[in-house]
Amino acid sequence: GDSVTQMEGPVTLSEEAFLTINCTYTATGYPSLFWYVQYPGEGLQLLLKATKADDKGSNKGFEATYRKETTSFHLEKGSVQVSDSAVYFCALSRLQGAQKLVFGQGTRLTINP
Amino acid sequence: NAGVTQTPKFQVLKTGQSMTLQCAQDMNHEYMSWYRQDPGMGLRLIHYSVGAGITDQGEVPNGYNVSRSTTEDFPLRLLSAAPSQTSVYFCASKTTGGSDTQYFGPGTRLTVL
Repeated sequence: GDSVTQMEGPVTLSEEAFLTINCTYTATGYPSLFWYVQYPGEGLQLLLKATKADDKGSNKGFEATYRKETTSFHLEKGSVQVSDSAVYFCALSRLQGAQKLVFGQGTRLTINP
Repeated sequence: NAGVTQTPKFQVLKTGQSMTLQCAQDMNHEYMSWYRQDPGMGLRLIHYSVGAGITDQGEVPNGYNVSRSTTEDFPLRLLSAAPSQTSVYFCASKTTGGSDTQYFGPGTRLTVL
């Protein structure tokens, strides 16, 4: 079945550091890929998405590129801020059927000033 | 727009008690779903619905019932709570496009003693 594997956390960085959170997936066909972010005490909100191979999703300085050849969707940001501290989830969704989101286990990111 | 709302925010139950978690959305979304979030496991789909009167099981449906009598509401029922159901529950909604964004509610933190 479909699955998503994320880089294990927690990850702790200093402000203005470069961030990479790895995400790889297993799925047949061409799923859509997502990064969701969960700030403390809140629900999940969409950070970015990509719907086909080589698409790049971007938002709030974060980027991720849909790489079908490596089945990856790594999240990157050039200079993190304290306000980026949150839990980040990689997920995939199929275009047909249940259209459910299959999530990775989440990566907790803490940014120190 | 209130988006996706959930009540209650917190709940403590004793083993064997029943309760209903409420979820409502005002975006006229056809697709609604319930997830549970457990540490280190990401979010897992419990039940979903593609429209009023239509529901189906997700990945972890045992111990939970749902119904969808209106487009707006999608309650989740625990008939006889068990400690294994201690979790954070999120409701989500979206339109039925496969790559469309799911919008999450703020969550209900449930503890079963």
